[in-house]
Amino acid sequence: DAEITQSPRHKITETGRQVTLACHQTWNHNNMFWYRQDLGHGLRLIHYSYGVQDTNKGEVSDGYSVSRSNTEDLPLTLESAASSQTSVYFCASSEFLASSYNEQFFGPGTRLTVL
Amino acid sequence: AQTVTQSQPEMSVQEAETVTLSCTYDTSESDYYLFWYKQPPSRQMILVIRQEAYKQQNATENRFSVNFQKAAKSFSLKISDSQLGDAAMYFCAYRRRSQGGSEKLVFGKGTKLTVNP
Repeated sequence: DAEITQSPRHKITETGRQVTLACHQTWNHNNMFWYRQDLGHGLRLIHYSYGVQDTNKGEVSDGYSVSRSNTEDLPLTLESAASSQTSVYFCASSEFLASSYNEQFFGPGTRLTVL
Repeated sequence: AQTVTQSQPEMSVQEAETVTLSCTYDTSESDYYLFWYKQPPSRQMILVIRQEAYKQQNATENRFSVNFQKAAKSFSLKISDSQLGDAAMYFCAYRRRSQGGSEKLVFGKGTKLTVNP
């Protein structure tokens, strides 16, 4: 079955380190998204991509970067991890459908702790 | 910018009874989708129900139904015959409808629902 996976599921790192969270989907979806979830804030969009080589900033993009070299993967990089980036991170994907509804499917989430 | 507001941080309901979760939103768009997502302790985001703004009829999925008031920009979720498995965080979300359907989701802060046996 097609799916969307995230790795690692849990990560503890130190302030200042570079961290990369992986997201992989097997649906061949063009659209991919990264959200972060914090208590009292719901989910907020970090970055998104509508296809290979396309990336866009979301609402809370400072301190994060993404790159899209193939359809299946959208890794999220924290260049220099900060304690404020302790959060649960969700990846999502959806198919590009002209003038039609397309559901976003979410990965299981990665819990990141920055000490 | 679009915003979604959930004014009830926590709600509780007795098993088998009915509960309504509130959501309001702000947008200048006329064509959009509204969603309710459920997030159980497993953290998985599960789509519960979807409403298209151009449809006047309220969406229904089994025990879940919505009350969509477009003019008031209100979108509440009613859970009937509540079950223990309904206990979760519930998120209201908005998405602009556009050709290609690529628009990102805007979420509310969530309502934690407790179901008491």
